[in-house]
Amino acid sequence: RKEVEQDPGPFNVPEGATVAFNCTYSNSASQSFFWYRQDCRKEPKLLMSVYSSGNEDGRFTAQLNRASQYISLLIRDSKLSDSATYLCVVRGSNYKLTFGKGTLLTVNP
Amino acid sequence: DGGITQSPKYLFRKEGQNVTLSCEQNLNHDAMYWYRQDPGQGLRLIYYSQIVNDFQKGDIAEGYSVSREKKESFPLTVTSAQKNPTAFYLCASSMIGQRREKLFFGSGTQLSVL
Repeated sequence: RKEVEQDPGPFNVPEGATVAFNCTYSNSASQSFFWYRQDCRKEPKLLMSVYSSGNEDGRFTAQLNRASQYISLLIRDSKLSDSATYLCVVRGSNYKLTFGKGTLLTVNP
Repeated sequence: DGGITQSPKYLFRKEGQNVTLSCEQNLNHDAMYWYRQDPGQGLRLIYYSQIVNDFQKGDIAEGYSVSREKKESFPLTVTSAQKNPTAFYLCASSMIGQRREKLFFGSGTQLSVL
């Protein structure tokens, strides 16, 4: 099993759609979880951290299920500007960050 | 403005040549990282450093070398031993000691082989 595995994508959705990204991780000792967004040929930028109780930031909701070693990101009412690659990131006990391969999202008008 | 500066933005390497990618940060971060990204792939860790004069190999360190002589600087050398160096290289930094500290990235260097 890969350390961090994401939906391969790509996802193509119309504006206003709700889209969900899934991510699983193999190391049960992993301590912190994040979603980053990366635009084409740009550096990744932190979208949100993922908390055990789940957390929401506007149209974005992140969930963590430690028992299933599963993380999700939900985007509601998607906008054209949401088009990007979404990266699942997991931090181990040694502070090392492991990135998933990313899922490309294209929001169409 | 505080941040991370990578240079150059584009770099070309000839066969058998060593090239060095620069990474400087003025965020007073302890930890610095180098990642490699290939098309359609996620980021893979090359080297990281949590303190001056110390660094650890990541998942794909072969063919690369680093130094951390100053807190602000973490240059990456792509040696002639790296047979497939064409990729997008990203430098990052973070505080340590806090589980949820975010990574700050530089804008990346695209390395290509002539």
